[in-house]
Amino acid sequence: AQSVTQPDIHITVSEGASLELRCNYSYGATPYLFWYVQSPGQGLQLLLKYFSGDTLVQGIKGFEAEFKRSQSSFNLRKPSVHWSDAAEYFCAVGFTGGGNKLTFGTGTQLKVEL
Amino acid sequence: DVKVTQSSRYLVKRTGEKVFLECVQDMDHENMFWYRQDPGLGLRLIYFSYDVKMKEKGDIPEGYSVSREKKERFSLILESASTNQTSMYLCASSLPGLAGGGSYEQYFGPGTRLTVT
Repeated sequence: AQSVTQPDIHITVSEGASLELRCNYSYGATPYLFWYVQSPGQGLQLLLKYFSGDTLVQGIKGFEAEFKRSQSSFNLRKPSVHWSDAAEYFCAVGFTGGGNKLTFGTGTQLKVEL
Repeated sequence: DVKVTQSSRYLVKRTGEKVFLECVQDMDHENMFWYRQDPGLGLRLIYFSYDVKMKEKGDIPEGYSVSREKKERFSLILESASTNQTSMYLCASSLPGLAGGGSYEQYFGPGTRLTVT
């Protein structure tokens, strides 16, 4: 069965430092890839998505992600973190034949130190 | 912008009560989804619907049912609430799948935090 792994449960970074959140998936063909952010007590907001084409995708709030087929990864990056980026981040994957469904990772909680 | 609204942000119910969680989307999306979110477990799909009166079980349908009588509205029903159904419930909607079977992004409501005592 297809699966999504976010290996880091918690990450703490200093404001202004760079950030990379990891996401790995298990699937034989090209997946459809998404990153979402959830602020405390809120629903999920889409940061960016990858369907095909350029493997480096830009999203909202200064985030980007790179699809690496050889590593089955879709890591999220930001060059300089702001205190307002503290939230939980979810990677999600859609699969061909998945019936419109997405499979979500278990999330990474980001803490930003001032 | 897509807007997905949920009827309550916080809900407290007693064990054995029948609970209705309502979700409405305003973008004419065919697909609607119900998830529950628990710490350390991420989002788990309860049910989804790809058309009016159509539904499919997700990964954890036990103890839940759904209703979709109109395209914009998708209801989650807990027939007899139990304490292990205390959770955050998230509704989402999306366009139908891409040609070739892939998935469009889903748009989420703000969530309902349900406590069953």
